[in-house]
Amino acid sequence: EDKVVQSPLSLVVHEGDTVTLNCSYEVTNFRSLLWYKQEKKAPTFLFMLTSSGIEKKSGRLSSILDKKELFSILNITATQTGDSAVYLCAPWSGNQFYFGTGTSLTVIP
Amino acid sequence: DTEVTQTPKHLVMGMTNKKSLKCEQHMGHRAMYWYKQKAKKPPELMFVYSYEKLSINESVPSRFSPECPNSSLLNLHLHALQPEDSALYLCASSQDRGGPQETQYFGPGTRLLVL
Repeated sequence: EDKVVQSPLSLVVHEGDTVTLNCSYEVTNFRSLLWYKQEKKAPTFLFMLTSSGIEKKSGRLSSILDKKELFSILNITATQTGDSAVYLCAPWSGNQFYFGTGTSLTVIP
Repeated sequence: DTEVTQTPKHLVMGMTNKKSLKCEQHMGHRAMYWYKQKAKKPPELMFVYSYEKLSINESVPSRFSPECPNSSLLNLHLHALQPEDSALYLCASSQDRGGPQETQYFGPGTRLLVL
């Protein structure tokens, strides 16, 4: 059975801290993995990862995929209150996207 | 332009009502999705259309009826819903199902309350 597990489930940090969010997956016919940020409304796209070991970076956010160990991490450096959100990972099987339960990040000023 | 639009933004309906949710994208995407999301839970896949044909129906009750009139539009017809169907309904689209590099974009959602 396909499975996506994100950890931690929730995290509270202070502004300026660095956080690492984890996503492990077991998905048949895995093709790629997407990361989303969800605040009060719809998820917004952050990254798509298809190759192992190649870091994708956007400002203070970066992400990497390990297809051998079946996981991905999302790093956020110098966190800001605007980073407070639920972060979702979604492996793509070529057929559908499988969503993890998400990590709820709260950044305290 | 990576915009997916959904209407209405909010909907309140009684259990005997019939209503429809609408979704539109003009990115030339050929796959469109309906998700249901309850509070503090991830999106839960309901339906997938690929090239205007229903390809995935995740055992959704028949009171939800999807329709894809053309490649840009996706509707979700609602009839005789239950209060537990209250949720955020998200539409999404992606370019071409099956490709290795597939990016999915979400609409803002319709927040549905069933009384």
